[in-house]
Amino acid sequence: GQNIDQPTEMTATEGAIVQINCTYQTSGFNGLFWYQQHAGEAPTFLSYNVLDGLEEKGRFSSFLSRSKGYSYLLLKELQMKDSASYLCAVRVDRGSTLGRLYFGRGTQLTVWP
Amino acid sequence: ETGVTQTPRHLVMGMTNKKSLKCEQHLGHNAMYWYKQSAKKPLELMFVYNFKEQTENNSVPSRFSPECPNSSHLFLHLHTLQPEDSALYLCASSSELGDGYGYTFGSGTRLTVV
Repeated sequence: GQNIDQPTEMTATEGAIVQINCTYQTSGFNGLFWYQQHAGEAPTFLSYNVLDGLEEKGRFSSFLSRSKGYSYLLLKELQMKDSASYLCAVRVDRGSTLGRLYFGRGTQLTVWP
Repeated sequence: ETGVTQTPRHLVMGMTNKKSLKCEQHLGHNAMYWYKQSAKKPLELMFVYNFKEQTENNSVPSRFSPECPNSSHLFLHLHTLQPEDSALYLCASSSELGDGYGYTFGSGTRLTVV
């Protein structure tokens, strides 16, 4: 199976920087995704890493270390609207089977004024 | 609007009822998925359809019955559900190549079984 672990909750203040970690153990790994999900809404794509290193996209950055089974999502200049659940998902490819996404439990981030 | 539309948004049903959830996408994707999202638990993959053929059933009880008449529409038929089936049911779609954009999700159906 897939073991995907991320913190349950985090809090931070407006304007600050927060780092959400995700560790995973799986065979057939072929990429890691981060999604944002506001309460009652669809998860929306934030980032994708398949090679080691940092991917930057505006205020959000994501890092991957395949050898360590580790990723983090970095959110800068936090805004109140960033309060949401952040889902870490790994893509698993096995043989000819279409790649599957397996999700962690999500990290509920609360941003305080 | 995410490109994947789910109806209804909310559903309350008794344990003896039969109801259906609907999912529709016009993104040109050929793979569609049903996920169950319960509080404090990871998203659970239920069913996978690729080119409207079911390719995966993750040991889901038979009281959940999927149907995929074409690559744009996906249904989840529900009957004799249990209270523990209350959850958010999410539909997603993706291209076969599974590009770096992963899945596109619908907003989900919040199901309550009473």
